[in-house]
Amino acid sequence: DVKVTQSSRYLVKRTGEKVFLECVQDMDHENMFWYRQDPGLGLRLIYFSYDVKMKEKGDIPEGYSVSREKKERFSLILESASTNQTSMYLCASSFALAGSYEQYFGPGTRLTVT
Amino acid sequence: EDQVTQSPEALRLQEGESSSLNCSYTVSGLRGLFWYRQDPGKGPEFLFTLYSAGEEKEKERLKATLTKKESFLHITAPKPEDSATYLCVLGGFKTIFGAGTRLFVKA
Repeated sequence: DVKVTQSSRYLVKRTGEKVFLECVQDMDHENMFWYRQDPGLGLRLIYFSYDVKMKEKGDIPEGYSVSREKKERFSLILESASTNQTSMYLCASSFALAGSYEQYFGPGTRLTVT
Repeated sequence: EDQVTQSPEALRLQEGESSSLNCSYTVSGLRGLFWYRQDPGKGPEFLFTLYSAGEEKEKERLKATLTKKESFLHITAPKPEDSATYLCVLGGFKTIFGAGTRLFVKA
């Protein structure tokens, strides 16, 4: 079974803090993704990576950065957390040729910024 | 412009009452159409991939079908544990997520 794990299920941070969300997949997938999901807005792509050290901006990259130093690990960084970044964050992975293969999602991290 | 629309937004069924969820799409080059199930507070769980019109996939009480413009997720004799949000996802040049159909099955 494909497994995508995320470092925390729940996280509470203060405004201005630097926040790291980690994601690990065990299926040797080339692609990894970070989304946020908000009520009424659905899933929105923040960043994705198609290879180690490679990254592409998604639809809402502002205020976020990412790091992929190893194939199995993809990190999302909030440089200076703000209250409007309170959300559910979902990591996913898939084989190459995005759009052709299903994505497998992690359990999500519910981040609250106060 | 590639887009996907799911209907209805919400569906309430009695246990055992079969029904279908609809996913209408337009895409310049379909790479795959995916169905996911999402429970509250959890990540989406992959169900099916469909690649070409006429294709069908089944899993327990669920059956997904695909035409050139629509996909249906048929639920046969649903149980309360089938209650969830079902997402239709379009794989093209860019992956596009539908807004989902919230299914409630009452015992």
